[in-house]
Amino acid sequence: AQRVTQPEKLLSVFKGAPVELKCNYSYSGSPELFWYVQYSRQRLQLLLRHISRESIKGFTADLNKGETSFHLKKPFAQEEDSAMYYCALSGYGGSQGNLIFGKGTKLSVKP
Amino acid sequence: ETGVTQSPTHLIKTRGQQVTLRCSSQSGHNTVSWYQQALGQGPQFIFQYYREEENGRGNFPPRFSGLQFPNYSSELNVNALELDDSALYLCASSLDGDPPLHFGNGTRLTVT
Repeated sequence: AQRVTQPEKLLSVFKGAPVELKCNYSYSGSPELFWYVQYSRQRLQLLLRHISRESIKGFTADLNKGETSFHLKKPFAQEEDSAMYYCALSGYGGSQGNLIFGKGTKLSVKP
Repeated sequence: ETGVTQSPTHLIKTRGQQVTLRCSSQSGHNTVSWYQQALGQGPQFIFQYYREEENGRGNFPPRFSGLQFPNYSSELNVNALELDDSALYLCASSLDGDPPLHFGNGTRLTVT
Protein backbone atom coordinates (compact mmCIF):
# COMPACT_ATOMS: atom_id res chain seq x y z
CA ALA A 1 0.00 0.00 0.00
CA GLN A 2 1.13 3.53 -0.74
CA ARG A 3 1.86 5.38 2.44
CA VAL A 4 3.77 8.38 3.79
CA THR A 5 5.08 8.26 7.35
CA GLN A 6 6.25 11.25 9.33
CA PRO A 7 7.38 9.69 12.61
CA GLU A 8 7.60 12.91 14.62
CA LYS A 9 4.43 14.73 15.54
CA LEU A 10 6.42 17.57 17.10
CA LEU A 11 10.01 18.68 16.67
CA SER A 12 11.48 21.41 18.82
CA VAL A 13 14.90 22.99 18.14
CA PHE A 14 16.72 26.16 19.10
CA LYS A 15 17.40 28.96 16.64
CA GLY A 16 20.60 28.32 14.74
CA ALA A 17 20.50 24.57 15.27
CA PRO A 18 20.24 22.14 12.35
CA VAL A 19 16.84 20.67 11.70
CA GLU A 20 15.78 17.47 9.96
CA LEU A 21 12.14 16.55 9.43
CA LYS A 22 11.82 12.88 8.63
CA CYS A 23 9.66 11.39 5.90
CA ASN A 24 9.52 7.76 4.82
CA TYR A 25 7.33 6.42 2.08
CA SER A 26 6.02 3.19 0.70
CA TYR A 27 5.37 3.09 -3.04
CA SER A 28 5.76 0.37 -5.65
CA GLY A 29 6.73 2.56 -8.62
CA SER A 30 8.82 5.70 -9.11
CA PRO A 31 7.34 8.29 -6.81
CA GLU A 32 7.39 12.03 -6.90
CA LEU A 33 7.87 13.53 -3.45
CA PHE A 34 6.88 16.92 -2.07
CA TRP A 35 7.06 18.99 1.07
CA TYR A 36 4.21 21.35 1.94
CA VAL A 37 4.25 23.90 4.75
CA GLN A 38 1.56 25.69 6.70
CA TYR A 39 2.59 28.72 8.76
CA SER A 40 0.38 29.91 11.60
CA ARG A 41 -2.91 31.35 10.32
CA GLN A 42 -1.83 30.87 6.71
CA ARG A 43 -2.87 28.43 4.05
CA LEU A 44 -1.05 25.27 3.03
CA GLN A 45 1.58 25.90 0.37
CA LEU A 46 4.10 23.93 -1.66
CA LEU A 47 7.62 24.24 -0.22
CA LEU A 48 9.58 22.05 -2.61
CA ARG A 49 9.39 18.99 -4.86
CA HIS A 50 12.23 16.56 -5.42
CA ILE A 51 12.33 16.80 -9.21
CA SER A 52 13.15 20.51 -9.08
CA ARG A 53 16.13 19.91 -6.77
CA GLU A 54 15.79 23.46 -5.46
CA SER A 55 16.64 24.96 -2.11
CA ILE A 56 13.71 26.98 -0.80
CA LYS A 57 14.14 29.21 2.27
CA GLY A 58 17.34 27.29 3.00
CA PHE A 59 15.54 23.92 3.05
CA THR A 60 16.66 20.97 0.95
CA ALA A 61 15.40 17.43 0.60
CA ASP A 62 17.04 14.48 -1.12
CA LEU A 63 15.13 11.47 -2.34
CA ASN A 64 16.80 8.27 -1.10
CA LYS A 65 15.22 5.40 -2.97
CA GLY A 66 17.24 2.79 -1.08
CA GLU A 67 15.94 3.97 2.28
CA THR A 68 12.62 5.18 0.79
CA SER A 69 13.09 8.50 2.54
CA PHE A 70 12.72 12.17 1.67
CA HIS A 71 13.91 14.01 4.76
CA LEU A 72 13.71 17.81 4.87
CA LYS A 73 16.83 19.55 6.15
CA LYS A 74 18.03 23.01 7.04
CA PRO A 75 21.46 23.70 8.51
CA PHE A 76 20.46 26.68 10.67
CA ALA A 77 16.84 26.94 11.83
CA GLN A 78 15.17 30.35 12.12
CA GLU A 79 12.20 31.28 14.31
CA GLU A 80 10.14 32.00 11.19
CA ASP A 81 10.53 28.35 10.19
CA SER A 82 8.08 27.39 12.94
CA ALA A 83 5.17 25.77 11.10
CA MET A 84 3.40 22.53 10.26
CA TYR A 85 5.24 20.50 7.61
CA TYR A 86 3.65 17.79 5.49
CA CYS A 87 5.45 15.31 3.29
CA ALA A 88 3.44 14.07 0.29
CA LEU A 89 3.76 11.47 -2.45
CA SER A 90 2.38 11.31 -5.97
CA GLY A 91 0.69 9.15 -7.12
CA TYR A 92 -1.37 6.29 -8.38
CA GLY A 93 -4.21 6.50 -10.87
CA GLY A 94 -2.49 8.65 -13.45
CA SER A 95 -3.42 11.93 -11.79
CA GLN A 96 -0.70 13.94 -10.16
CA GLY A 97 -3.32 15.51 -7.96
CA ASN A 98 -3.49 12.16 -6.17
CA LEU A 99 -1.20 13.31 -3.41
CA ILE A 100 -0.84 11.05 -0.40
CA PHE A 101 0.04 13.15 2.64
CA GLY A 102 1.70 12.20 5.89
CA LYS A 103 0.16 13.30 9.18
CA GLY A 104 2.56 16.21 9.47
CA THR A 105 5.27 17.38 11.83
CA LYS A 106 4.98 20.56 13.82
CA LEU A 107 8.32 22.36 13.93
CA SER A 108 8.90 24.76 16.78
CA VAL A 109 12.05 26.90 16.66
CA LYS A 110 12.83 28.48 20.02
CA PRO A 111 14.82 31.70 20.41
CA GLU B 1 -3.57 37.93 -9.31
CA THR B 2 -6.11 36.40 -6.94
CA GLY B 3 -5.50 33.29 -4.88
CA VAL B 4 -7.69 30.28 -4.27
CA THR B 5 -10.87 31.25 -2.49
CA GLN B 6 -13.35 28.93 -0.82
CA SER B 7 -16.85 29.47 0.47
CA PRO B 8 -18.33 29.23 2.96
CA THR B 9 -15.63 29.28 5.65
CA HIS B 10 -17.74 27.38 8.16
CA LEU B 11 -20.83 25.25 7.83
CA ILE B 12 -22.98 23.21 10.20
CA LYS B 13 -25.25 20.52 8.79
CA THR B 14 -27.36 17.69 10.14
CA ARG B 15 -26.74 14.03 9.36
CA GLY B 16 -28.52 13.02 6.16
CA GLN B 17 -28.47 16.49 4.63
CA GLN B 18 -26.62 17.55 1.50
CA VAL B 19 -23.93 20.22 1.22
CA THR B 20 -22.22 22.14 -1.59
CA LEU B 21 -18.80 23.71 -1.13
CA ARG B 22 -17.35 26.18 -3.62
CA CYS B 23 -13.88 27.01 -4.84
CA SER B 24 -12.44 29.64 -7.16
CA SER B 25 -9.05 28.70 -8.51
CA GLN B 26 -5.94 30.84 -8.73
CA SER B 27 -6.07 33.08 -11.79
CA GLY B 28 -4.94 31.16 -14.86
CA HIS B 29 -5.08 27.72 -13.20
CA ASN B 30 -7.19 25.12 -15.02
CA THR B 31 -6.93 22.29 -12.48
CA VAL B 32 -8.70 21.99 -9.15
CA SER B 33 -8.10 19.31 -6.51
CA TRP B 34 -10.22 18.68 -3.42
CA TYR B 35 -8.95 17.25 -0.13
CA GLN B 36 -10.54 16.29 3.17
CA GLN B 37 -8.51 16.95 6.32
CA ALA B 38 -9.70 15.41 9.55
CA LEU B 39 -8.37 16.76 12.84
CA GLY B 40 -4.75 15.73 13.43
CA GLN B 41 -4.42 14.14 10.01
CA GLY B 42 -2.87 15.12 6.72
CA PRO B 43 -5.11 16.07 3.80
CA GLN B 44 -6.72 13.12 2.00
CA PHE B 45 -7.32 13.30 -1.77
CA ILE B 46 -10.97 13.31 -2.84
CA PHE B 47 -10.73 14.08 -6.58
CA GLN B 48 -9.22 16.38 -9.18
CA TYR B 49 -10.88 18.25 -12.05
CA TYR B 50 -9.02 19.28 -15.18
CA ARG B 51 -10.78 21.10 -18.03
CA GLU B 52 -14.17 20.28 -16.53
CA GLU B 53 -13.54 16.52 -16.39
CA GLU B 54 -12.77 14.36 -13.37
CA ASN B 55 -9.07 13.54 -13.62
CA GLY B 56 -8.56 11.12 -10.76
CA ARG B 57 -10.41 10.11 -7.63
CA GLY B 58 -9.40 8.98 -4.19
CA ASN B 59 -11.04 6.42 -1.94
CA PHE B 60 -14.30 8.28 -1.34
CA PRO B 61 -17.83 6.96 -1.92
CA PRO B 62 -20.00 8.18 -4.82
CA ARG B 63 -21.96 10.48 -2.52
CA PHE B 64 -18.93 12.76 -2.87
CA SER B 65 -19.25 14.39 -6.29
CA GLY B 66 -17.91 17.44 -8.00
CA LEU B 67 -18.12 19.83 -10.89
CA GLN B 68 -15.78 22.19 -12.63
CA PHE B 69 -17.12 25.14 -14.60
CA PRO B 70 -15.76 26.81 -17.78
CA ASN B 71 -14.14 29.52 -15.65
CA TYR B 72 -12.34 26.69 -13.76
CA SER B 73 -14.15 27.27 -10.50
CA SER B 74 -15.38 24.11 -8.83
CA GLU B 75 -17.96 22.64 -6.49
CA LEU B 76 -17.79 19.72 -4.11
CA ASN B 77 -21.13 18.12 -3.28
CA VAL B 78 -21.66 15.66 -0.48
CA ASN B 79 -24.99 13.83 -0.17
CA ALA B 80 -26.40 11.93 2.80
CA LEU B 81 -23.98 13.52 5.24
CA GLU B 82 -22.50 11.35 7.96
CA LEU B 83 -20.92 12.38 11.25
CA ASP B 84 -17.50 11.27 9.95
CA ASP B 85 -17.75 13.82 7.14
CA SER B 86 -16.97 16.51 9.71
CA ALA B 87 -13.61 17.88 8.57
CA LEU B 88 -11.78 20.73 6.88
CA TYR B 89 -12.27 20.60 3.12
CA LEU B 90 -9.43 22.06 1.11
CA CYS B 91 -9.42 23.13 -2.49
CA ALA B 92 -6.18 23.59 -4.41
CA SER B 93 -5.38 24.76 -7.91
CA SER B 94 -2.61 24.12 -10.41
CA LEU B 95 -1.95 23.93 -14.13
CA ASP B 96 -2.58 21.06 -16.52
CA GLY B 97 -3.21 18.31 -13.99
CA ASP B 98 -0.09 19.08 -11.97
CA PRO B 99 0.06 18.62 -8.19
CA PRO B 100 -1.48 21.41 -6.13
CA LEU B 101 0.45 24.64 -5.94
CA HIS B 102 -1.95 26.92 -4.12
CA PHE B 103 -4.48 25.93 -1.49
CA GLY B 104 -7.49 27.80 -0.23
CA ASN B 105 -8.16 28.44 3.44
CA GLY B 106 -10.67 25.63 3.52
CA THR B 107 -14.27 25.12 4.57
CA ARG B 108 -14.83 23.73 8.06
CA LEU B 109 -17.83 21.36 7.89
CA THR B 110 -19.47 20.13 11.07
CA VAL B 111 -22.10 17.40 10.83
CA THR B 112 -24.30 16.93 13.90
